[in-house]
Amino acid sequence: GDSVTQMEGPVTLSEEAFLTINCTYTATGYPSLFWYVQYPGEGLQLLLKATKADDKGSNKGFEATYRKETTSFHLEKGSVQVSDSAVYFCALNSGGYQKVTFGTGTKLQVIP
Amino acid sequence: DVKVTQSSRYLVKRTGEKVFLECVQDMDHENMFWYRQDPGLGLRLIYFSYDVKMKEKGDIPEGYSVSREKKERFSLILESASTNQTSMYLCASSLSGGRAYEQYFGPGTRLTVT
Repeated sequence: GDSVTQMEGPVTLSEEAFLTINCTYTATGYPSLFWYVQYPGEGLQLLLKATKADDKGSNKGFEATYRKETTSFHLEKGSVQVSDSAVYFCALNSGGYQKVTFGTGTKLQVIP
Repeated sequence: DVKVTQSSRYLVKRTGEKVFLECVQDMDHENMFWYRQDPGLGLRLIYFSYDVKMKEKGDIPEGYSVSREKKERFSLILESASTNQTSMYLCASSLSGGRAYEQYFGPGTRLTVT
């Protein structure tokens, strides 16, 4: 079945540091890939997506590239802010119907 | 803005009680979902519904049931709550078709069963 593996947290960075959160996946066919973010006390919200190989999703300074050859979708940001502190979930949808498979989440803490 | 609301942010129930968690969305979405979120396990799908009165089991349906009598409302029912159902419960909704993957989440209900 489909699965998503992401790096364990928590990840603690200083403000303006470079962020990478690793994500790899296993899926049948050609899945769409996503990053969702959960800010403290809130539900998850879609951060960015990529629907085919070599697509780059981007939003709010975050980027992730769909790498079919390495089955990866790593999240990056060049300069993190305190307001980026949240839990980040990698996810996929392999079509067929509405089901989205989520990773376990990576908590990011940015300190001033 | 899409709004998904859940009836309670925090709930404390006793073992054996029947528990209802309510979720309402205001964007006419066809699909609705219930997840539980546990540390180290991420989000696990309990049930989803793609239309009124229609439901499908997710990955961990045991001990739960659902009801969808109206399009905007999706209820999760714990028939006889147990301590291993202590968790954060998240409701989500989405459109059908090509954007079905974009799920909109409520803020969650933290349920404690004692």
